[in-house]
Amino acid sequence: DTGVSQNPRHKITKRGQNVTFRCDPISEHNRLYWYRQTLGQGPEFLTYFQNEAQLEKSRLLSDRFSAERPKGSFSTLEIQRTEQGDSAMYLCASSPKTYTGALKFYNEQFFGPGTRLTVL
Amino acid sequence: DAKTTQPPSMDCAEGRAANLPCNHSTISGNEYVYWYRQIHSQGPQYIIHGLKNNETNEMASLIITEDRKSSTLILPHATLRDTAVYYCMGGYSTLTFGKGTMLLVSP
Repeated sequence: DTGVSQNPRHKITKRGQNVTFRCDPISEHNRLYWYRQTLGQGPEFLTYFQNEAQLEKSRLLSDRFSAERPKGSFSTLEIQRTEQGDSAMYLCASSPKTYTGALKFYNEQFFGPGTRLTVL
Repeated sequence: DAKTTQPPSMDCAEGRAANLPCNHSTISGNEYVYWYRQIHSQGPQYIIHGLKNNETNEMASLIITEDRKSSTLILPHATLRDTAVYYCMGGYSTLTFGKGTMLLVSP
């Protein structure tokens, strides 16, 4: 399977514990995105990387959240001191670079299956 | 990113065309219109995007009004597997999802 993969698929933790999720994007996709989705809502953007550089972070990404993409390939999202409000589906997506003439775009995002976090 | 408005739900009979509307009156000149869908318990799936012209691919057609303030996604022959939440967004490099339209395709 050459799609975006995420591990683990499910994580149950106690409030106050730290958790780390991993995302493996499609090979050679330059951009990698993290989203959070709660029940009944659309996904909310958290952050994205272009290669290893973190280019944008949402205000939703509090200081308890940190994301890395050390070699421009896989990425990790860590949540420290988890709270019950962190319970959600965490989605990862990647996108390739495409060109229209000389212009560079990243239009199509390929999503993984998500990691469902439950904080007790 | 542009603010979008979509009906919360729509129904469609299997085999008929599904026409999903979206208002994006605040979209700026360089923002694309994107459509994604999310089938229950799966990650979102890209459908189509456009800037000014109408677009068609193997999944759907996208009709964008001349003033770019609204668009319509057309699934020409809806199947039961098209039952999903459909999201319309305006954006450039990041996506801002709303609540989308829940499309229910019935036999």
